[in-house]
Amino acid sequence: DAEITQSPRHKITETGRQVTLACHQTWNHNNMFWYRQDLGHGLRLIHYSYGVQDTNKGEVSDGYSVSRSNTEDLPLTLESAASSQTSVYFCASSASGGYNEQFFGPGTRLTVL
Amino acid sequence: GENVEQHPSTLSVQEGDSAVIKCTYSDSASNYFPWYKQELGKRPQLIIDIRSNVGEKKDQRIAVTLNKTAKHFSLHITETQPEDSAVYFCAAIEPEKLVFGKGMKLTVNP
Repeated sequence: DAEITQSPRHKITETGRQVTLACHQTWNHNNMFWYRQDLGHGLRLIHYSYGVQDTNKGEVSDGYSVSRSNTEDLPLTLESAASSQTSVYFCASSASGGYNEQFFGPGTRLTVL
Repeated sequence: GENVEQHPSTLSVQEGDSAVIKCTYSDSASNYFPWYKQELGKRPQLIIDIRSNVGEKKDQRIAVTLNKTAKHFSLHITETQPEDSAVYFCAAIEPEKLVFGKGMKLTVNP
């Protein structure tokens, strides 16, 4: 069955370190998204991609970057981790076309000390 | 850009009661409105959605209504059960990407 996975599921890192969170989907979806979830803020969009070599900034993109070299993967990089980036991160994907369901990965809980 | 407001932020009901969650959106061009349910420690999952050419949609105990003129849509859950306890998110589409409300925590007391 097609799925979307994230790794690691839990990560503890130190301030200033570079961290990369992986997202892999097997639906062959063109659209992929990264969100962070914090209490009281819901799901906030960090970056998104509509296809290979396409990336776009979301509402909370500062301090994060993504690259899309193939259809299946959209890794999220924190260039220099900050305590404010402690959060739960969700990756999602959807088919192109506008009315299509976004499927979420299981999430990565990141703690920056 | 699109802005989605969701209220209330928390709701507690007795098992068997109905629950209503309301959302408003700002962009009259939005034409797709999904609802996601997130159980504690789990990922958000789509439970129902509605397109702008439809005023109401039902699926067993849940229904969604859309008022395009007023730019608001609502989720109705009837005969609530303890397993309905979760956080519910509404969203509106801004071409190809979703803008989410901040979520509502529903607690169903046995």
